[in-house]
Amino acid sequence: ILNVEQSPQSLHVQEGDSTNFTCSFPSSNFYALHWYRWETAKSPEALFVMTLNGDEKKKGRISATLNTKEGYSYLYIKGSQPEDSATYLCAPPSNTGKLIFGQGTTLQVKP
Amino acid sequence: NAGVTQTPKFQVLKTGQSMTLQCAQDMNHEYMSWYRQDPGMGLRLIHYSVGAGITDQGEVPNGYNVSRSTTEDFPLRLLSAAPSQTSVYFCASSYSFGDTIYFGEGSWLTVV
Repeated sequence: ILNVEQSPQSLHVQEGDSTNFTCSFPSSNFYALHWYRWETAKSPEALFVMTLNGDEKKKGRISATLNTKEGYSYLYIKGSQPEDSATYLCAPPSNTGKLIFGQGTTLQVKP
Repeated sequence: NAGVTQTPKFQVLKTGQSMTLQCAQDMNHEYMSWYRQDPGMGLRLIHYSVGAGITDQGEVPNGYNVSRSTTEDFPLRLLSAAPSQTSVYFCASSYSFGDTIYFGEGSWLTVV
């Protein structure tokens, strides 16, 4: 089973703060890395699928970078808003189709 | 465009009862999975399938059975429900293992 670690486990920031969190994964046999945003009582929603070392993707105020050689990805949120409050999940799929998620980073943005 | 459809949305079971959570997708996706969500545990993979007729175990398969007789459907069976199976269950699908995953809306199951 892939060992996926996300840190920190939870984060509390003020509105307007910028923040970032980490997803660490085994660097061998890398295929892709998924980032998902998960609001309470809703379904997880795809943010990014990253495949190439050095990849950087952006969606509004959220961006992510990928380092496949050292096995980590950063997710950045610029100018956090209360609507950014959610759990952010990452997962590196294996070539067997098995997709194991990290435990997530729960972000709380206070107005 | 229905996407991933799960039924039922809510269910209460007695210990020892059996039931099936249904999952259907209309996107011609080969990959389908079942996850459960528990407080503080994130999403844990129960079973997954890479195509019709092919299934495999995830992280927490005990107490659950699956089958994949068609590309569209991936039902999850609880043979003898236990209180430890009280959870929110999510079905998910994707075209390929490296592609975006689409989740159903979740099924809230309580076993008393």
